[in-house]
Amino acid sequence: AQSVTQLGSHVSVSEGALVLLRCNYSSSVPPYLFWYVQYPNQGLQLLLKYTSAATLVKGINGFEAEFKKSETSFHLTKPSAHMSDAAEYFCAVSVRPNDYKLSFGAGTTVTVRA
Amino acid sequence: DVKVTQSSRYLVKRTGEKVFLECVQDMDHENMFWYRQDPGLGLRLIYFSYDVKMKEKGDIPEGYSVSREKKERFSLILESASTNQTSMYLCASTPSGGGSGELFFGEGSRLTVL
Repeated sequence: AQSVTQLGSHVSVSEGALVLLRCNYSSSVPPYLFWYVQYPNQGLQLLLKYTSAATLVKGINGFEAEFKKSETSFHLTKPSAHMSDAAEYFCAVSVRPNDYKLSFGAGTTVTVRA
Repeated sequence: DVKVTQSSRYLVKRTGEKVFLECVQDMDHENMFWYRQDPGLGLRLIYFSYDVKMKEKGDIPEGYSVSREKKERFSLILESASTNQTSMYLCASTPSGGGSGELFFGEGSRLTVL
């Protein structure tokens, strides 16, 4: 079985500062990894995904994540936070192609200070 | 664009009532999912379906049932609502075979059981 741990339920950053959201996974087979974002009162939308190609993955809105197998990590970063980045972020893992189900982390809420 | 539509954004029901949450997707996806979202717990899978009339239990199926009579529609049923089922419910879909594993989410249905 696979699982995801997100370190830190809340992160507060200043506008223009680095955003770093941590995600560690456990999986007995090579994983597929995802970051989703949820804006208030909306569903989740995909930020980026790792599916065994390049280990550094670029997503929408200036976010990127690096897959590190030795650390079983998939941390999300953005060099310069914008007010519009305030949202909840979820890391997720699956072991496709055999399984279409995703296991989600508990989520990290990001607030951006002016 | 893929569109997953959840018919009710907000519902208020009383304990013991039967509740139907409807989800429709317009991209001919084979796989559909119902997740429950609670603060600090992330998303937990209730039920999923790989095809019409097929369903499988997820991690927390107790107190829920589902129906998939048509490919585009996946319904979540609470036979007798209880206060501990107050939550945000998210429907999602994804194609089979060759897809990237990305789930496409609806905007959610926030259910309050009094």
